[in-house]
Amino acid sequence: AQSVTQPDIHITVSEGASLELRCNYSYGATPYLFWYVQSPGQGLQLLLKYFSGDTLVQGIKGFEAEFKRSQSSFNLRKPSVHWSDAAEYFCAVGGYNAGNMLTFGGGTRLMVKP
Amino acid sequence: GAGVSQTPSNKVTEKGKYVELRCDPISGHTALYWYRQSLGQGPEFLIYFQGTGAADDSGLPNDRFFAVRPEGSVSTLKIQRTERGDSAVYLCASSRDGPSGNTIYFGEGSWLTVV
Repeated sequence: AQSVTQPDIHITVSEGASLELRCNYSYGATPYLFWYVQSPGQGLQLLLKYFSGDTLVQGIKGFEAEFKRSQSSFNLRKPSVHWSDAAEYFCAVGGYNAGNMLTFGGGTRLMVKP
Repeated sequence: GAGVSQTPSNKVTEKGKYVELRCDPISGHTALYWYRQSLGQGPEFLIYFQGTGAADDSGLPNDRFFAVRPEGSVSTLKIQRTERGDSAVYLCASSRDGPSGNTIYFGEGSWLTVV
């Protein structure tokens, strides 16, 4: 069965600092990978996705993620964090062999210090 | 509509009562999904519709949970004999076709509290 691990439950960074959120997945074939962001009381907003091709994908709000098959990872990065980035971030895996579901990690809560 | 719409946004109900949660997907999206998100956790898959039929209901936790999509658009998630453990955010999502290779868009959720 597929699974996603987000090792960091909470991360605090200073505004303007760089950010990397870790995501490791387990999936039996080529995965589809996603990062979603959830602000308090809000639904999930898609930041970026990887289906195939270039392993470095660009998303909205200045985020990017890199698919590394050898490490089963899909880490999210941003070079300079803004206070408005404070939210919960979820990594998810799906794919042709996944049937009809996305499997989500437990999330990483990002706090931004002024 | 512009996005996935869910009603009610908040629902408080007493243990043992029946609850209905409604989802209106993005216009033209044939695939519709329900997920459940408990406090401090990631969303968990409940059920997937392709058109009017439930193509995969493997995530429904037990027979108290049921969902319909009679005309292939709006869907209703129904929970009978609610229990305190059912308290969660119920997220609806839709995509243009099936999930493989298609982006899934989520609504803002229905927050259910069972007291």
